[in-house]
Amino acid sequence: EVQLVESGGGLIQPGGSLRLSCAASGFTVSSNYMSWVRQAPGKGLEWVSVLSSGGSTYYADAVKGRFTISRDTSKNTLYIQMNSLRAEDTAVYYCARVDSGYQGYFDYWGQGTLVTVSS
Amino acid sequence: QLVLTQSPSASASLGASVKLTCTLSSGHSSYAIAWHQQQPEKGPRYLMKLDSDGSHSKGDGIPDRFSGSSSGAERYLTISSLQSEDEADYYCQTWGTGNWVFGGGTKLTVL
Repeated sequence: EVQLVESGGGLIQPGGSLRLSCAASGFTVSSNYMSWVRQAPGKGLEWVSVLSSGGSTYYADAVKGRFTISRDTSKNTLYIQMNSLRAEDTAVYYCARVDSGYQGYFDYWGQGTLVTVSS
Repeated sequence: QLVLTQSPSASASLGASVKLTCTLSSGHSSYAIAWHQQQPEKGPRYLMKLDSDGSHSKGDGIPDRFSGSSSGAERYLTISSLQSEDEADYYCQTWGTGNWVFGGGTKLTVL
């Protein structure tokens, strides 16, 4: 059974840094494209970043240069390092697996972890 | 620019059917999309991938009440025999080269 469990969220001051983790089970993270998607309070889903199976990284313009996606194959875990955080980064962050065929759609989701950026 | 447009809200009665629409931006009418459901206070759940010819493949455990269809740049999600647990936000999603896009979502109310 595929499972994704996020952790690492919390309250952080503007300008601060935070690293989120996504522990995967039931499949191998390094064999799939993996993604982070966020949802600001009361808003819709927003794509944040993708890490390809080959190691290529992709970022939304809103986070480019501030966020870094990575993985640890020994732990079968996906990460996102978030620096220079802003109030507008406040959101629930979801980890999602990208389908292995088209590398296009998200076929499994985690339950999310809340990041609040506030002084 | 790759954009998906959804109506903000829809409603239908318990036991009835409802058809939600997702429209692809100009020049992108051949793109496949995916539909995702988000029940209140929960994470999203993948429902199905939907191709431009209307063929679709559903996620694990998705009931037959959920189906998809396509016409031109429009992609549809039809839910039949509506149940109370179908009250949720529904998002369409697509992808391009190095870019993944969501529609704004449709909030479905079951009356």
